[in-house]
Amino acid sequence: EPEVTQTPSHQVTQMGQEVILRCVPISNHLYFYWYRQILGQKVEFLVSFYNNEISEKSEIFDDQFSVERPDGSNFTLKIRSTKLEDSAMYFCASAPGVTGELFFGEGSRLTVL
Amino acid sequence: KQEVTQIPAALSVPEGENLVLNCSFTDSAIYNLQWFRQDPGKGLTSLLLIQSSQREQTSGRLNASLDKSSGRSTLYIAASQPGDSATYLCAVIQDTDKLIFGTGTRLQVFP
Repeated sequence: EPEVTQTPSHQVTQMGQEVILRCVPISNHLYFYWYRQILGQKVEFLVSFYNNEISEKSEIFDDQFSVERPDGSNFTLKIRSTKLEDSAMYFCASAPGVTGELFFGEGSRLTVL
Repeated sequence: KQEVTQIPAALSVPEGENLVLNCSFTDSAIYNLQWFRQDPGKGLTSLLLIQSSQREQTSGRLNASLDKSSGRSTLYIAASQPGDSATYLCAVIQDTDKLIFGTGTRLQVFP
């Protein structure tokens, strides 16, 4: 069964460092998303991406964040200068249509020291 | 602003019981509602998607209902098993394509 895959599963970084989280969405899906979950809190929307551009972003998704689909398969989230409060589980998701079912990856746990 | 709430926050039941998990949302103008399962430290597994025009969806021992006008959805789990132990999340989509998640119900089924 097709699935969304994410790498790395866990990354530890120093505050101020750049981090890139990678995702391979399901191949025939057109909509791509990043969500995050701080330990013990709700899953929060970060950004949606369609047709090679951001379609919506949350207040959390400030200038330190960027997304890219560098080729036909990968979808990346970059955090330019990490802060302690960026420590969270980051989930990538994809969907075949705009209000269709979303499929999530296993997540990338980011720990900022 | 849409708020999604799940009750109870935690539930512990013996194996074999039928369960009802509740999800409520403040704005009834939704496109669909999706139920997920999350195991500790893991990703979100989609269980059921209910479109706004539907009243319920079934998958195996799971049945989810949707009452848009009252802002409620329930997830019914029949004949619970220890393997059902996980956190169950509901999420709604409105006029944008982002999911708004509830706080989750942490379920433990003991043998």
